[in-house]
This record gives sequence, C-alpha cells and structure tokens, in this order.
Amino acid sequence: GAGVSQSPSNKVTEKGKDVELRCDPISGHTALYWYRQSLGQGLEFLIYFQGNSAPDKSGLPSDRFSAERTGGSVSTLTIQRTQQEDSAVYLCASSFRTGDNYGYTFGSGTRLTVV
Amino acid sequence: DAKTTQPNSMESNEEEPVHLPCNHSTISGTDYIHWYRQLPSQGPEYVIHGLTSNVNNRMASLAIAEDRKSSTLILHRATLRDAAVYYCILVSGGTSYGKLTFGQGTILTVHP
Repeated sequence: GAGVSQSPSNKVTEKGKDVELRCDPISGHTALYWYRQSLGQGLEFLIYFQGNSAPDKSGLPSDRFSAERTGGSVSTLTIQRTQQEDSAVYLCASSFRTGDNYGYTFGSGTRLTVV
Repeated sequence: DAKTTQPNSMESNEEEPVHLPCNHSTISGTDYIHWYRQLPSQGPEYVIHGLTSNVNNRMASLAIAEDRKSSTLILHRATLRDAAVYYCILVSGGTSYGKLTFGQGTILTVHP
C-alpha cells in the first residue's frame, strides 16, 4: 500500500478483555516497529521485527503483551487481560531495511481506551 | 543509543525561516541523524536524515556541523502546518538495527 495502515483506528475495551491491533506495513518493507504513546507523553518502543523474526522484544511492558508478524508483512500486537494503564495510542512504523540509512514511515495509530 | 538535546520549545512567524538546533556530542561515527515531526493527533512523520554532509529535500534542509556534534533542521518558510513537535534522533548504523529512541523533542509554534 501507499502507507502504513493500522486498524482499528479506535478501540474501547473493558478491563480484563483481550485486544488485537493490526499493522499493514508498506509493501517491501522488511523492518517493522511497534511503539506506544500515552497521553501527553513521548513515544515508547515496544518491539522490532526483521522479516518474521523479533530480535528485540525488550520494550514489551509485561507478558500480557505479545506480537507476531506473518509473511514478512502484516503484524498483530495482542494485549491480554487489558488494564487501564494500557490505554494509549499504539503506533506502527516500517522501513525498507534495518533503518540506519532509511526513513521510517509511521501509521496513524490505534487509540486504545480501557474502561 | 547516543543522546540528543533539543530546546523544549521554539516560536516562529509564518513565512519566516526556522532553525531547530540539536546537540549530540556523544555521536559515534556510524550514527545517522534523523529528524521526525509529529503533528497533533497524528503519528510521527519522517522529515530528513543525514550522516556527514548537509542534506536537502522538499520538506527541509539538514545542516550538520563539521565535528557532527550538533545539527540544525531548517524550515525555509514556516507555515501554520509546520506547527508540531520535532524530534532529533540518532540511529545506530553498522550492524545495529535502527531503533528510534524518541526524546521530548522541540514544540514549534508558528504564529500567523
């Protein structure tokens, strides 16, 4: 596609429910990143994919968070047993290659609200 | 990742040039300098990046000091749509993957 697509754009869920957030990167981009941004805060790195592998999961805040990527394309971030502190905008970015000399393209994010 | 230092905020008038500074005194030889901006309620947007030489694109120019310890993002004619948070980020080159580590950035206000 022309850009990074994320769905849903907004998600309201009850505390304790599981949610899945989807990211469609730009076609041909091998590197994919998940970030989250809480209200009024900076961006927090969550996880990085190179192809279908995740060499760096160091930013995942707890074992309730997991992510996978299939076919070197679509990625899904899953949050189990959601808590109110999980409320944030979840952003996905992709890059042609591991990104030192390539710019990153971000999606518009999924705004997650846990009530 | 090496750290960058940016002013918390800057102001400009519409149609005037804006120079956004960034200090990165601990930059290593393989670190690229990336700039992103984030408009209200949007994801970050790539602006420009460089290694050693000054760079120009349709959005902005990047001036890199000779010792690479600082850089300046130049918006040649600010518009109201340029009001955003601007992030200067060092991205490790070489064999390290390029994770972006965002700081607090500079809030740019553009006055009509």
